Amino acid sequence: NAGVMQNPRHLVRRRGQEARLRCSPMKGHSHVYWYRQLPEEGLKFMVYLQKENIIDESGMPKERFSAEFPKEGPSILRIQQVVRGDSAAYFCASSPSEVGTQYFGPGTRLTVL
Amino acid sequence: GESVGLHLPTLSVQEGDNSIINCAYSNSASDYFIWYKQESGKGPQFIIDIRSNMDKRQGQRVTVLLNKTVKHLSLQIAATQPGDSAVYYCAENRKGFQKLVFGTGTRLLVSP
Repeated sequence: NAGVMQNPRHLVRRRGQEARLRCSPMKGHSHVYWYRQLPEEGLKFMVYLQKENIIDESGMPKERFSAEFPKEGPSILRIQQVVRGDSAAYFCASSPSEVGTQYFGPGTRLTVL
Repeated sequence: GESVGLHLPTLSVQEGDNSIINCAYSNSASDYFIWYKQESGKGPQFIIDIRSNMDKRQGQRVTVLLNKTVKHLSLQIAATQPGDSAVYYCAENRKGFQKLVFGTGTRLLVSP
């Protein structure tokens, strides 16, 4: 049973470039969540998606950030025109239902130069 | 504002001791609480959870206690081992919402 998969594990971008982070949920899970963790801080919710639908994006910045979870394939968190303040660890979690336990992936560590 | 927080940022214990990590929450509408363990460079790992209709739940070497009267949550680890060294987060799931609200974390250091 594979857990939540995220890739890449490490991503380096220069200011102004785009970052694409991928998340494959656990088998049988159709609910995906993205969280961001700044150094020495707790995780902060960004967005919650079900297949093809964004359910709650209250934690996502209004500009430059977008997320999708297509019918086929992984969930994608996209950050356009990255800035140094976007440097953080981005974690994806999945659950089998909207009230199920969320299981986390290993994260993608984004560094913006 | 509403928050989930921890009393102690760092807890140092000796191997074999019992550890207690505390967490306070302020939203009485919260109905589900989870403890996660995060080792350096890794994602949060589920430890144990508890719903608001329970006061206590036990797992392997871990026990979670919930006191709704004072809005307090604790994680007890029995016979702490060096492998338990990590940052521990309590997280709160508020009724009607799917997102988790995380506390700031407590670092547990276990010395042999």
